[in-house]
Amino acid sequence: DSGVTQTPKHLITATGQRVTLRCSPRSGDLSVYWYQQSLDQGLQFLIQYYNGEERAKGNILERFSAQQFPDLHSELNLSSLELGDSALYFCASSPVGGNTEAFFGQGTRLTVV
Amino acid sequence: SQQGEEDPQALSIQEGENATMNCSYKTSINNLQWYRQNSGRGLVHLILIRSNEREKHSGRLRVTLDTSKKSSSLLITASRAADTASYFCATDARDGNKLVFGAGTILRVKS
Repeated sequence: DSGVTQTPKHLITATGQRVTLRCSPRSGDLSVYWYQQSLDQGLQFLIQYYNGEERAKGNILERFSAQQFPDLHSELNLSSLELGDSALYFCASSPVGGNTEAFFGQGTRLTVV
Repeated sequence: SQQGEEDPQALSIQEGENATMNCSYKTSINNLQWYRQNSGRGLVHLILIRSNEREKHSGRLRVTLDTSKKSSSLLITASRAADTASYFCATDARDGNKLVFGAGTILRVKS
């Protein structure tokens, strides 16, 4: 158990809908990362938050947004969903930034139908 | 695009043999990490090597780093069927943010 909790584990939704994925980082970790993993794109970095502020941005679509709350949990919002958004979405946390070990949750498997 | 690129994309070996995976990256780094992922599950950290280190060991794992060639290798010795997984290298940007992963190597160890 990495100590990172992601909910829900599975999500099936229709095209055009909006969903929210939730991540609770390990106790004490200030940095949260979101990644998308699909068969054709591999593991893609989406966005990083550090202590409530956006720290780095990757290949995140404009239809996607994220935030980190004062209690350090994070949410990833995906809107106007398309079939191609079907993927595993991982959250990871680390004490500080990318120069330390990251701990991954078990992921949310999103299926858009 | 990915910062790191692993090769080979897939590797199939017999139990007891050694497995070597390589990773190349593009920009300067503070450190390089290797992770393992069992099918459909979260990634698990294996080892971190800093940019001023050349080699690091952890159990049956040996990692090397050549910053002049911007490359790293992961050696798993005396492989076991339980080592079957995908292996990813990850690099950070010089500012310490943003951990970026390569495409991974799928390792299959046959018993």
